[in-house]
Amino acid sequence: QSALTQPPSASGSPGQSVTISCTGTSSDVGGYNYVSWFQHLPGNAPKLIIYEVNKRPSGVPDRFSGSKSGNTASLTVSGLQAEDEADYYCNSYAGNSYVFGTGTKVTVL
Amino acid sequence: QVQLVQTGGGVVQPGRSLRLSCEASGFTFTAYSMHWVRQAPGKGLEWVSIISTDGRIKIYADSVQGRFTVSRDNFKSTLFLEMNSLGPEDTAVYYCATDMAGGAYNIWGQGTLVTVSS
Repeated sequence: QSALTQPPSASGSPGQSVTISCTGTSSDVGGYNYVSWFQHLPGNAPKLIIYEVNKRPSGVPDRFSGSKSGNTASLTVSGLQAEDEADYYCNSYAGNSYVFGTGTKVTVL
Repeated sequence: QVQLVQTGGGVVQPGRSLRLSCEASGFTFTAYSMHWVRQAPGKGLEWVSIISTDGRIKIYADSVQGRFTVSRDNFKSTLFLEMNSLGPEDTAVYYCATDMAGGAYNIWGQGTLVTVSS
């Protein structure tokens, strides 16, 4: 149950796009279309922004999109806004368990 | 109002036990598998446990296997986490969460801090 690998940080100016990768193995990310992404602000509970690789829950802006290729999933935030500054975590089903990514801090410059 | 309200955190000595609760309201509790997730200070999110809708299937992370027990009372719409043999490495904010499918945690509790210290 090793954590999925995410870059520690990512940044972009308002209006730009940022993409965060989430690399696992064929036993988790690559093996199932059950990858979720969460936005986490300090002091708050995490918020689901993408599930099943590329689906958005009701109320999540379409600036957030997800994709997957092989053992790597990606989250893209388009049209960055100040309120997007947060920690982002991926999560994958891993066949009888679940595993989170290491987390990425997104900074809006 | 759709919510999960957590209780039961606090400071506990190493080796002792603690029980967390997570009460659901505003939605059909029995429709969801339930998870526990934790975040140690300065660290990332860590998946802890899942329990199926009927409570028959329970799965744990290796780090808590044999020490933690998850359960649920569907009549009271409440989820529990019994934590035994606690160590400093268990110090974390613990969250309960509903699962739409495959780890899509769509409703979260507010989190409760567990501190293991002498």
